[in-house]
Amino acid sequence: SQTIHQWPATLVQPVGSPLSLECTVEGTSNPNLYWYRQAAGRGLQLLFYSVGIGQISSEVPQNLSASRPQDRQFILSSKKLLLSDSGFYLCAWRTQGNNQPQHFGDGTRLSIL
Amino acid sequence: AQKVTQAQTEISVVEKEDVTLDCVYETRDTTYYLFWYKQPPSGELVFLIRRNSFDEQNEISGRYSWNFQKSTSSFNFTITASQVVDSAVYFCALSVSGGSNYKLTFGKGTLLTVNP
Repeated sequence: SQTIHQWPATLVQPVGSPLSLECTVEGTSNPNLYWYRQAAGRGLQLLFYSVGIGQISSEVPQNLSASRPQDRQFILSSKKLLLSDSGFYLCAWRTQGNNQPQHFGDGTRLSIL
Repeated sequence: AQKVTQAQTEISVVEKEDVTLDCVYETRDTTYYLFWYKQPPSGELVFLIRRNSFDEQNEISGRYSWNFQKSTSSFNFTITASQVVDSAVYFCALSVSGGSNYKLTFGKGTLLTVNP
């Protein structure tokens, strides 16, 4: 069966520090991968998605970047964090195909001080 | 463009009550897919159900049931005999076929609180 791992679970970082959040998927190949951010208001904002290795699409201009160095690895990064980067970050995967649902990791709670 | 509206921001019920969470969607595509997710306080989103636009059969899974009506563009979710463990934020989502099928359009979610 497929599983998704996301770490760390919580992170407290000072403003201006770098960021690296990692997500890996097991039990499937060539998945679509996603990074979402959920602010306190509950809405889910799609940040990045990837349909293959090295293929990254950004949904919103921001202080963050994403990379997919391997088929089942998706990394969210920042060189300098801003206060507004605080939030709950969720990684997700799906099998390619029209009606496939996305499956989510446990999330990372990021607090910027 | 697609849109999903969950008009109920918060609902509070007492255990054993039935509760219906509303979801209204908008799309110009004739083939689309609807989803419900549950987000308990621990934070992870759990996939509950998928429904294809060409299949209007309602579905029941234990205490959960879903009512899909294309005529009103609604995909409502009912929990029968609610329990405290049902307390969570519930999201309705929509995707379309073809080139944009990788994207989910989410509603803003409904916070359900089930009180003992």
